[in-house]
Amino acid sequence: DADVTQTPRNRITKTGKRIMLECSQTKGHDRMYWYRQDPGLGLRLIYYSFDVKDINKGEISDGYSVSRQAQAKFSLSLESAIPNQTALYFCATSAQGEGTGELFFGEGSRLTVL
Amino acid sequence: SQQGEEDPQALSIQEGENATMNCSYKTSINNLQWYRQNSGRGLVHLILIRSNEREKHSGRLRVTLDTSKKSSSLLITASRAADTASYFCATRGPSNTGKLIFGQGTTLQVKP
Repeated sequence: DADVTQTPRNRITKTGKRIMLECSQTKGHDRMYWYRQDPGLGLRLIYYSFDVKDINKGEISDGYSVSRQAQAKFSLSLESAIPNQTALYFCATSAQGEGTGELFFGEGSRLTVL
Repeated sequence: SQQGEEDPQALSIQEGENATMNCSYKTSINNLQWYRQNSGRGLVHLILIRSNEREKHSGRLRVTLDTSKKSSSLLITASRAADTASYFCATRGPSNTGKLIFGQGTTLQVKP
């Protein structure tokens, strides 16, 4: 089984709908992240969490919210989806501390907003 | 805005040749990392170089870092068709925030 699991892997929705993308991990990491990938723009950080009670905005948090329900779970919500939120979304984890800061990624959730 | 900018955006070479990708960044860093992404898949960590290191090797990968120029390069030697992927640099700031900021990536095609 994958260490970082994202659901759903693919989702097509309509403008105005509420969407939740879920991420769960078995790596025991404290830190979790949500990134968005658009062609030619690389990855941009949406939100990140260093602990269950810690939530931080990234570069592009407008239109998104997150919930850290447990150490292993971090969900991303689009309250009212719009077409320019069509993208590939990645959840990632990393270990706490000075360490490497290496990120471990899920396989992505492809979201299409019509 | 992205911290890193990568050059070239796309690279096509023959199997057996070396591939060099460059990354420039704007602010001070704790470390710089390179990731690989196969088409439509999640990113996979390749190698990390700390701000006090100048060169690092891992198998066929060689990474250099020049903090005075705020730039890094990734060299893949003796490339294989299986190396075809997108490669991203990512920088981690000096404050140990844990955030990584990614560049736009270089798409590498290795022709058999």
